[in-house]
Amino acid sequence: KAGVTQTPRYLIKTRGQQVTLSCSPISGHRSVSWYQQTPGQGLQFLFEYFSETQRNKGNFPGRFSGRQFSNSRSEMNVSTLELGDSALYLCASRKGTSADTQYFGPGTRLTVL
Amino acid sequence: GESVGLHLPTLSVQEGDNSIINCAYSNSASDYFIWYKQESGKGPQFIIDIRSNMDKRQGQRVTVLLNKTVKHLSLQIAATQPGDSAVYFCAEISFNQFYFGTGTSLTVIP
Repeated sequence: KAGVTQTPRYLIKTRGQQVTLSCSPISGHRSVSWYQQTPGQGLQFLFEYFSETQRNKGNFPGRFSGRQFSNSRSEMNVSTLELGDSALYLCASRKGTSADTQYFGPGTRLTVL
Repeated sequence: GESVGLHLPTLSVQEGDNSIINCAYSNSASDYFIWYKQESGKGPQFIIDIRSNMDKRQGQRVTVLLNKTVKHLSLQIAATQPGDSAVYFCAEISFNQFYFGTGTSLTVIP
């Protein structure tokens, strides 16, 4: 069974631009979560989607948004990029609403110049 | 200049020795715990999990111990190998939400 995939793997943008990251969960997984990982803050939860609905949201500004499609694939968007948005963005999937094991993708390394 | 950021606990062990990585969790209502391994430039990789109704679980070369009394979780790696060098995170799951520790950096000395 294929793992969680994320595209692109690397991205360079400039301040003020916007970016869209994509995540394909493991087949059969309906929950997708997004995390931001930086050396300064560690792993921080952005949001979780289940069956196309945002179920949980972390403490990030409205510039960070996401969505999930009917095939469970998810995208996250960051608008008006800031230097501090440079990070590894990780997507993780799990089966459903119970405390299932969460599996991570390889991440998208975003650099904002 | 001085770098600012998280200072991960570090552990250095000799190849072949056993490693023990510790994690303190915060919520006594957490009912599920996972250990992840993250190598440089990669996403976290699932290692082993344990439910709150257990106090020990063994995998291949790894054992997780759960002490609910003191809210402590540990990961034991037997016969540590150079490929085990990575950052190890514990995660506690409470009311369907994941909470991650800051991680421990393990370095295996050949």
